[in-house]
Amino acid sequence: EPEVTQTPSHQVTQMGQEVILRCVPISNHLYFYWYRQILGQKVEFLVSFYNNEISEKSEIFDDQFSVERPDGSNFTLKIRSTKLEDSAMYFCASSGGGQKNYEQYFGPGTRLTVT
Amino acid sequence: AQSVTQLGSHVSVSEGALVLLRCNYSSSVPPYLFWYVQYPNQGLQLLLKYTSAATLVKGINGFEAEFKKSETSFHLTKPSAHMSDAAEYFCAVTTLFNKFYFGSGTKLNVKP
Repeated sequence: EPEVTQTPSHQVTQMGQEVILRCVPISNHLYFYWYRQILGQKVEFLVSFYNNEISEKSEIFDDQFSVERPDGSNFTLKIRSTKLEDSAMYFCASSGGGQKNYEQYFGPGTRLTVT
Repeated sequence: AQSVTQLGSHVSVSEGALVLLRCNYSSSVPPYLFWYVQYPNQGLQLLLKYTSAATLVKGINGFEAEFKKSETSFHLTKPSAHMSDAAEYFCAVTTLFNKFYFGSGTKLNVKP
């Protein structure tokens, strides 16, 4: 069964550094998402991406965040200058569009630790 | 907009006892509902989903959930808890072409 993959599984970075989290969505999917889960809290929506542009973003997704689909397979989340409060598990998800667009497939997550 | 409320941040049951995890949703349009399980330091594993077909949905590991529109609920049940069921469970709601809204989670503890 096709699945969403994410790399790295764990990233440790120093405050102020830039990080790029990578995701490979399911190959024929059209909609892409990033979610965040701070330790001990619920999963929160960050951003959705369709047709090479952001379709929706939350208030968390400020100017420090950006997303990109640099080629036909990868979907990346960049944090320009990390803060301690960016430490969280980041989940990528994708969906196929059409009448089954409610089915989002989640990746295993990248745990980001900012020190 | 949609939202999910999970009643009880912690639930404790004895091994072999009934598991009942509560989820109530709010949605102005027909929702799609999901339950996920998360083990410590791991990702989200889909347990089951309601997609407007049968209201009683069976999932993996013996879990099931019933969609009750009149009660705006989608409670998760399992007849007999196993030690391996100890984890955190998240209910989520979405609609077509929309993001997921997750509940705050319920940590299930299973006592021997």
